[in-house]
Amino acid sequence: EPEVTQTPSHQVTQMGQEVILRCVPISNHLYFYWYRQILGQKVEFLVSFYNNEISEKSEIFDDQFSVERPDGSNFTLKIRSTKLEDSAMYFCASSEDFWDTEAFFGQGTRLTVV
Amino acid sequence: DQQVKQNSPSLSVQEGRISILNCDYTNSMFDYFLWYKKYPAEGPTFLISISSIKDKNEDGRFTVFLNKSAKHLSLHIVPSQPGDSAVYFCAAHGSHGSSNTGKLIFGQGTTLQVKP
Repeated sequence: EPEVTQTPSHQVTQMGQEVILRCVPISNHLYFYWYRQILGQKVEFLVSFYNNEISEKSEIFDDQFSVERPDGSNFTLKIRSTKLEDSAMYFCASSEDFWDTEAFFGQGTRLTVV
Repeated sequence: DQQVKQNSPSLSVQEGRISILNCDYTNSMFDYFLWYKKYPAEGPTFLISISSIKDKNEDGRFTVFLNKSAKHLSLHIVPSQPGDSAVYFCAAHGSHGSSNTGKLIFGQGTTLQVKP
């Protein structure tokens, strides 16, 4: 069964460092997303991406965040200068369409900022 | 911003009985709802969905009911099995119409424990 894969599964970084979280969405999907879940809190939307551009972003997704689809398979989330409060599980998701359809999630990357 | 709320943080049921998980929403423009199941250290797994034009959708042991007037949906699991023990998230498509981007707004989750 096709699945969304994320690497690495766990990333530890120093505050102020840049991190890149990687995702390989399901191959025939056209819509891509990043969500995060801070420990004990709800899953929060960060950004949606379609046709090589951001289609919607949340208030959390400030100038420190960026997304890119550098080739036909990868979808990345970059955090330019990490803060302690960026520590969370980050989930990548993809969907065939945006209309009345489910998104499939990866297993997540646990980001720990120290 | 609590547009999707799951007011019960946890639920415990006996194996073989019915599990009922509840979800409320505040935005009447939401038109598509989903339930996801999540195990620790894994991503959410899609379970079942319902469009606002329906009031019920069934898939095996899982049934989702939607009451639009009350802005309430529920997930019924019958019969419950120990393997169903997980965190269940209700989600709604948070954008719609011409601005629909597929964004999901999640509830806080309900931890279901099914006892053998």
